[in-house]
Amino acid sequence: DTGVSQDPRHKITKRGQNVTFRCDPISEHNRLYWYRQTLGQGPEFLTYFQNEAQLEKSRLLSDRFSAERPKGSFSTLEIQRTEQGDSAMYLCASSSPTSGRLPSVYNEQFFGPGTRLTVL
Amino acid sequence: AQKVTQAQTEISVVEKEDVTLDCVYETRDTTYYLFWYKQPPSGELVFLIRRNSFDEQNEISGRYSWNFQKSTSSFNFTITASQVVDSAVYFCALSEADTNAGKSTFGDGTTLTVKP
Repeated sequence: DTGVSQDPRHKITKRGQNVTFRCDPISEHNRLYWYRQTLGQGPEFLTYFQNEAQLEKSRLLSDRFSAERPKGSFSTLEIQRTEQGDSAMYLCASSSPTSGRLPSVYNEQFFGPGTRLTVL
Repeated sequence: AQKVTQAQTEISVVEKEDVTLDCVYETRDTTYYLFWYKQPPSGELVFLIRRNSFDEQNEISGRYSWNFQKSTSSFNFTITASQVVDSAVYFCALSEADTNAGKSTFGDGTTLTVKP
């Protein structure tokens, strides 16, 4: 299977603990996105990478959140000192580079299954 | 700022009925892309269609069809002869070219339930 994978699928933690999630994008995709989705809402953009460079971060991403993509392949999202409000589904997506004359900004994103975080 | 509104929170139909999911968007850009994604109960978002702002031609793919009207900033999605397997949450999304990021702004989704 060459789709986007995320690990773990579920994480339950106590308030104040740190958690780290991993995303493995489709291998030839150079863009990787993190979104957060809460119940009854659509995904909200958190941050994105082009290769190893983190090019944009949402204002939703507080200082407790950090993301990396050290070798331009997999990415990690860490949440420090978790709060109950962090409980959500964390989605990773990737998209392909330029295809023909279409810039990659127009390419659809392929999503992983998500990591569901529950903070007690 | 870009915004996507899916006014229908939940829709319930009986199998074989046609159903239309509405999507209205706001953007200041003249160049943008619109998407529809499906999120089945398993949770993984699945891409359905992409449409750019310069192409208002409607598209049909099997039982699915999309109606893009720039004049009303709408990008509606119709499922013909619905099936139980169509039950899912459907999201409309917008990506603006000027952001040069490709990140998408999603609506809050429409939960479609197709009853046998």
